[in-house]
Amino acid sequence: GESVGLHLPTLSVQEGDNSIINCAYSNSASDYFIWYKQESGKGPQFIIDIRSNMDKRQGQRVTVLLNKTVKHLSLQIAATQPGDSAVYFCAETHNNAGNMLTFGGGTRLMVKP
Amino acid sequence: ETGVTQSPTHLIKTRGQQVTLRCSSQSGHNTVSWYQQALGQGPQFIFQYYREEENGRGNFPPRFSGLQFPNYSSELNVNALELDDSALYLCASSLELAGKQYFGPGTRLTVT
Repeated sequence: GESVGLHLPTLSVQEGDNSIINCAYSNSASDYFIWYKQESGKGPQFIIDIRSNMDKRQGQRVTVLLNKTVKHLSLQIAATQPGDSAVYFCAETHNNAGNMLTFGGGTRLMVKP
Repeated sequence: ETGVTQSPTHLIKTRGQQVTLRCSSQSGHNTVSWYQQALGQGPQFIFQYYREEENGRGNFPPRFSGLQFPNYSSELNVNALELDDSALYLCASSLELAGKQYFGPGTRLTVT
């Protein structure tokens, strides 16, 4: 399949360790945030979302933290597995933008066995 | 799998030509959004269709146009192709405007 993110920031972690991927956003009007995972040759896959009235949300092995004061979003993956290797994008939108998503630049996560 | 399909998977066009890309939404989804993803970058919003009407548009020139059909499938048309149009084109469908967007696998367009 094609390569996604040839020159993206890369996070390399050992299998079983926790991963933290960070994202900064600039629009203070943003009120809905999503993390997507994109594997080579595939479209972005929804992981977890959070609205601006929350600062933390947990899913299965994933947690999203939102700090509106500094406009920062993070994705934490517990017990990282080889199947987690992919490019991760944060995306944001706001009420007046309908459903238009603005994506960040992405981070490549590499999991070492 | 998201249930969103796109065709073709890959295609190669020459500068100046026109191209049509197709997207079938997940069953029951009435909103389709199109994104362009250049290599090494995040997707950029092109436009969105809701119940056959354009509902929003990103910073793309008029030579990028679209359609949504009564069955909510969609087309992206690009006229007068330029080399910089080479990218992965993604469509995403959602149930209503505020719903989560589910992406298809994309169409890789190469303009030579």
